[in-house]
Amino acid sequence: DTQMTQSPSTLSASVGDRVTITCRASQSINNYLAWYQQKPGKAPELLIYQASSLESGVPSRFSGSGSGTEFTLTISSLQPDDFATYYCQHYNTYPWTFGQGTKVDIK
Amino acid sequence: QVQLVESGGGVVQPGGSLRLSCEASGFTFSTYGMHWVRQTPGKGLEWVAFIRYDGSSKWYADSVKGRFTISRDNSKNTLYVQMKSLRGEDSAVYYCAKSRSVSMPGYFDFWGQGTLVAVSS
Repeated sequence: DTQMTQSPSTLSASVGDRVTITCRASQSINNYLAWYQQKPGKAPELLIYQASSLESGVPSRFSGSGSGTEFTLTISSLQPDDFATYYCQHYNTYPWTFGQGTKVDIK
Repeated sequence: QVQLVESGGGVVQPGGSLRLSCEASGFTFSTYGMHWVRQTPGKGLEWVAFIRYDGSSKWYADSVKGRFTISRDNSKNTLYVQMKSLRGEDSAVYYCAKSRSVSMPGYFDFWGQGTLVAVSS
């Protein structure tokens, strides 16, 4: 199975900050990587798929990059609504697995 | 708009069984693969099972293989998972989720609100 490792586990930031979250795969997953945002008590929501494609309706301050085994999610200017937990997930091959999550909280 | 509504969660004793349902609306259910994904505070998000749009293929996580059975009724726009021989480690919030892509079905564009399963004596 492909293991997904996110860093950091927690990130403290302020409104307006540029935020970057890293996700590493234990083997190449090509570009088959998705990013999700989850707020407390809610289901995850798809932000990015195929490593860098923005899901419809997602603000353009979110972007994804990377290939092979290393990927990043960037929020260009953190907004109050963005304080949440972010998960990466590969879908290259079955079984599909998630990273452990990165919680973005208020500094 | 797409809606996925899970039901059937609850408290069950170890070794017991439970069936979860997920009623879908707002999209053509019969043309999309569907998944169950679970979440615990300790283990995070874990993909559990997938069923192809027509039910012809079913895939399972090793942790539930042989104990869980995913199924669907396209005439009722409903997804199911039958869970048996439940263990404490199966305690989680269970989400149904819709595949975004037919060609690469392993990621999810809509999720339900989740239903809580607690395995406890």
